[in-house]
Amino acid sequence: KQEVTQIPAALSVPEGENLVLNCSFTDSAIYNLQWFRQDPGKGLTSLLLIQSSQREQTSGRLNASLDKSSGRSTLYIAASQPGDSATYLCAVSTGGGNKLTFGTGTQLKVEL
Amino acid sequence: DVKVTQSSRYLVKRTGEKVFLECVQDMDHENMFWYRQDPGLGLRLIYFSYDVKMKEKGDIPEGYSVSREKKERFSLILESASTNQTSMYLCASGTGGSPLHFGNGTRLTVT
Repeated sequence: KQEVTQIPAALSVPEGENLVLNCSFTDSAIYNLQWFRQDPGKGLTSLLLIQSSQREQTSGRLNASLDKSSGRSTLYIAASQPGDSATYLCAVSTGGGNKLTFGTGTQLKVEL
Repeated sequence: DVKVTQSSRYLVKRTGEKVFLECVQDMDHENMFWYRQDPGLGLRLIYFSYDVKMKEKGDIPEGYSVSREKKERFSLILESASTNQTSMYLCASGTGGSPLHFGNGTRLTVT
């Protein structure tokens, strides 16, 4: 059974700092990996999707990498801002559909 | 923009009541999902559907059922609500290999 782990569970950084969030998964036979953002009391917003054949994806200040063989992904956030404060979730798909297994998230706080 | 709409943001029900949570998506997605989210446990898949009138059990289907009579609508049913079903319920939709889109969630309290 696929298990997804995110470390750390919580992170607090000063504004402007670059940071890395980590995600690991136990079964490397994945179809794709997605990173989501969740604001308090809200649903999830998709940030980046990496197909299993890809190594990384970029969107603005966000860069996600995937090392399938080692079961790891990282989400790099450049020049963090207070508006980046949220919970970030990693999820993997092991089938062709959208069925995802989620990590428990990293709660990020960017302080002024 | 894809829109996934959940009918209620907050819901309070009594133990034993039958509860319907509705979800509608406007992008003709084949796949729809119901998750529940609890502190420390993350998102857990309850049921999903890859087509109209089709349903598959997720990881925690006990105490729940679903209905998908039309492609755009996926309903979650709590046959007899219990206090341990107090949770945030999230609906999502997508097509294979593309990002999953979520609704804003329904926070259900069962008293």
